[in-house]
Amino acid sequence: GEDVEQSLFLSVREGDSSVINCTYTDSSSTYLYWYKQEPGAGLQLLTYIFSNMDMKQDQRLTVLLNKKDKHLSLRIADTQTGDSAIYFCAETPFEGGYNKLIFGAGTRLAVHP
Amino acid sequence: DTGVSQDPRHKITKRGQNVTFRCDPISEHNRLYWYRQTLGQGPEFLTYFQNEAQLEKSRLLSDRFSAERPKGSFSTLEIQRTEQGDSAMYLCASIHGLAGVVDTQYFGPGTRLTVL
Repeated sequence: GEDVEQSLFLSVREGDSSVINCTYTDSSSTYLYWYKQEPGAGLQLLTYIFSNMDMKQDQRLTVLLNKKDKHLSLRIADTQTGDSAIYFCAETPFEGGYNKLIFGAGTRLAVHP
Repeated sequence: DTGVSQDPRHKITKRGQNVTFRCDPISEHNRLYWYRQTLGQGPEFLTYFQNEAQLEKSRLLSDRFSAERPKGSFSTLEIQRTEQGDSAMYLCASIHGLAGVVDTQYFGPGTRLTVL
């Protein structure tokens, strides 16, 4: 079945690194995504990784993919208060034509001074 | 503004009333998606369109829900005889959707529905 799991809450100190973890179930997923949602706002695409990659770096963001364990992580370096938000991991199973997103419940990141 | 827009942003209605939401996708995007997000959860897929054709509907979409995309541009989502359980954020997303190409979805700001 389709199920994406994330830890619900993460608290970090400003300037530290944050690591948000996600496990997914569908090995057919070609792309895996990270979205950010701030209070009262829509979803903002942060980054994505193709399933044949192990790692992708984009400025302060690093995505690691362990396809064998179906584990995805998002590392935010030098976390700032503006990074406080909910982060969603999403997979794109083949059944949906690779374009239907299956989301986790989201990880709420709180950044404190 | 060339992003996805949704209208209205907020809707409060009484149980049993009908409501209609509108989504305007990014120009020339062929595929349009509707998702529903309840408090504390991630968005859940409802339905999607390839141009004007509705190609998939989730089992979450009961017969009280209907979606249209008559000219392959904007889309509407109607909920008839609303129930309190329909209270949620309704999100629209669009992608270019070229055949055989995996693309990223761009989301609108959502319509927050509250059913009293």
